[in-house]
Amino acid sequence: SYVLTQPPSVSVAPGKTASITCGGNNIGGKSVHWYQQKPGQAPVLVIYYDSDRHSRIPERFSGSNSGNTATLTISRVEAGDEADYYCQVWDSSSDWVFGGGTKLTVL
Amino acid sequence: EVQLLESGGGLVQPGGSLRLSCAASGFTFSTYAMTWVRQAPGKGLEWVSAVSGSGGSTYYADSVKGRFTISRDNSKNTLYLQMNSLRAEDTAVYYCAKTPDEVAVAGTAAFIDYWGQGTLVTVSS
Repeated sequence: SYVLTQPPSVSVAPGKTASITCGGNNIGGKSVHWYQQKPGQAPVLVIYYDSDRHSRIPERFSGSNSGNTATLTISRVEAGDEADYYCQVWDSSSDWVFGGGTKLTVL
Repeated sequence: EVQLLESGGGLVQPGGSLRLSCAASGFTFSTYAMTWVRQAPGKGLEWVSAVSGSGGSTYYADSVKGRFTISRDNSKNTLYLQMNSLRAEDTAVYYCAKTPDEVAVAGTAAFIDYWGQGTLVTVSS
């Protein structure tokens, strides 16, 4: 089965840049999608097809994907960005696969 | 505006059954594949099932295959999830979600562009 590995937590100071990684075997050959989930709320699509921003998502959010790692980058981090972030791909042997999630803490 | 409203969650005993519904509005329901994703308390997201826009293609996670059935009524703009032989490990918030394409049950377009607010299913005696 295909596995996506995310760090459990990432911390960043306001105004700095946060990078959240999503590791998978040759993930660069797949399309990666990212979701943000704030406490008590449903997830929201942030990035799709590796680097396309969903509607109403600030330009501060960007994505990249190459080799065995995809990355969600949040520039000029704000307190409101504090949330859990999940990556997701589709794999022919495992169907829909989500990463374990990364809790972003804004210090 | 896309709206997805789940209902049907609740407390059920192990071995019991429950049917979840999801009323959709704000888009042409029949032209988009739909999916269910669940989240156990304090845990991450787990994909459960997906159905194509026509209802002709369905996919299931191994953990629910043979126990859960996804279906849709395009005349009522409603998605369903019939859950049988429920187990304690099925306890979770179940989210109804829309995909960006009619056949986005598999492949690169298999992702979610809109989510419902979720309904809680608790399996316990």
